[in-house]
Amino acid sequence: AQKITQTQPGMFVQEKEAVTLDCTYDTSDPSYGLFWYKQPSSGEMIFLIYQGSYDQQNATEGRYSLNFQKARKSANLVISASQLGDSAMYFCAMREGLGTDKLIFGTGTRLQVFP
Amino acid sequence: SQTIHQWPATLVQPVGSPLSLECTVEGTSNPNLYWYRQAAGRGLQLLFYSVGIGQISSEVPQNLSASRPQDRQFILSSKKLLLSDSGFYLCAWSRGNGYTFGSGTRLTVV
Repeated sequence: AQKITQTQPGMFVQEKEAVTLDCTYDTSDPSYGLFWYKQPSSGEMIFLIYQGSYDQQNATEGRYSLNFQKARKSANLVISASQLGDSAMYFCAMREGLGTDKLIFGTGTRLQVFP
Repeated sequence: SQTIHQWPATLVQPVGSPLSLECTVEGTSNPNLYWYRQAAGRGLQLLFYSVGIGQISSEVPQNLSASRPQDRQFILSSKKLLLSDSGFYLCAWSRGNGYTFGSGTRLTVV
């Protein structure tokens, strides 16, 4: 069964608007971590934000925030005030398995920001 | 500071030729190491991970193998490449909740 699901293959947003990228996950491990990465056309993986399963508050990093709904097993990324440079692939990932720390990725969402 | 080096950046190899991609980490000890592959327009698939020297776990059956001869060195190999081995290969290391990725190798098998 797929452990990380990103249902939006592509999203469009106008510059300066906010956008939400969806991510749902599946795990029976009580301790896990959720990550979002940005991958521009160069291919590098840029870490954006992290949410631990025991964190009480939603994570925020500048214009990025993570809408963590544990009961629904969702970890959506919200980008506020979109910029043209935000156009890229975005991947949701989950770390599970204490010790191995394997990071499992979703299939990604291609975000395009237009003027 | 911790850094990760991965080379080469691009590689074009004929079908049936061998492969060796190298990844080295600096500034940390005993990291967990990973090899991922990304097919064109797709997500990252975990191929191998290692929690220590000589300890390799394979996630999917395939034409590739991995080795960890030193604490901070991780090598991805193949004896005979297939067309389906084409893709973008990323090495990564982790300690705790931090993951750092290399810059990747774009492999084209022709």
